[in-house]
Amino acid sequence: EVQLVQSGAEVKKPGESLRISCKGSGYSFTSYWISWVRQMPGKGLEWMGRIDPSDSYTNYSPSFQGHVTISADKSISTAYLQWSSLKASDTAMYYCARMYSGLSQNWFDPWGQGTLVTVSS
Amino acid sequence: SSELTQDPAVSVALGQTVRITCQGDSLRSYYASWYQQKPGQAPVLVIYGKNNRPSGIPDRFSGSSSGNTASLTITGAQAEDEADYYCNSRDSSGNHLDWVFGGGTKLTVL
Repeated sequence: EVQLVQSGAEVKKPGESLRISCKGSGYSFTSYWISWVRQMPGKGLEWMGRIDPSDSYTNYSPSFQGHVTISADKSISTAYLQWSSLKASDTAMYYCARMYSGLSQNWFDPWGQGTLVTVSS
Repeated sequence: SSELTQDPAVSVALGQTVRITCQGDSLRSYYASWYQQKPGQAPVLVIYGKNNRPSGIPDRFSGSSSGNTASLTITGAQAEDEADYYCNSRDSSGNHLDWVFGGGTKLTVL
């Protein structure tokens, strides 16, 4: 079974750093990209960025460029999303998803279960 | 970057057919993919490409596209189809390679 398992919920203070993880299993981890998607409370899905685990090439949505860093360790089939200095506005659910992108189509499947990040003083 | 526009809310009577639409310039050259999200759950892929369903997705779900509009159709809506639905597509305008989600449509089954 193809699945992505994310790390657990986090409660942090503003200014703290954080790294959350997403471990893939049941498929060749380097054959598909991993994307991260944010969902703020009561809001829709926002694509943040993606990584190719085979070479760690990344690209980010302009809305998130410079605010987060996406990385991966292919030796343990795990992707990461990290912040160096959290803000209260980073409070959200974060999902990772296996991603395919072709000339005329793309899809995200499966998705991780989500990691809830709460930033509060 | 590109925007994808969805109606915020749609309703359908049990057993009837409903179409959820997604509009955007990128859809003229790129297929949308569609995701179902129920409260407290992660999104699930329901349609991708021209009209492809992942394994386990009922055949009452179908997709189509015309011009700048992609559509997700549920033929014979069931109570369990009540959920939020999001479209997604690629945008390669400007200097960025982006993928963008629509704002989502809340489907109510009456």
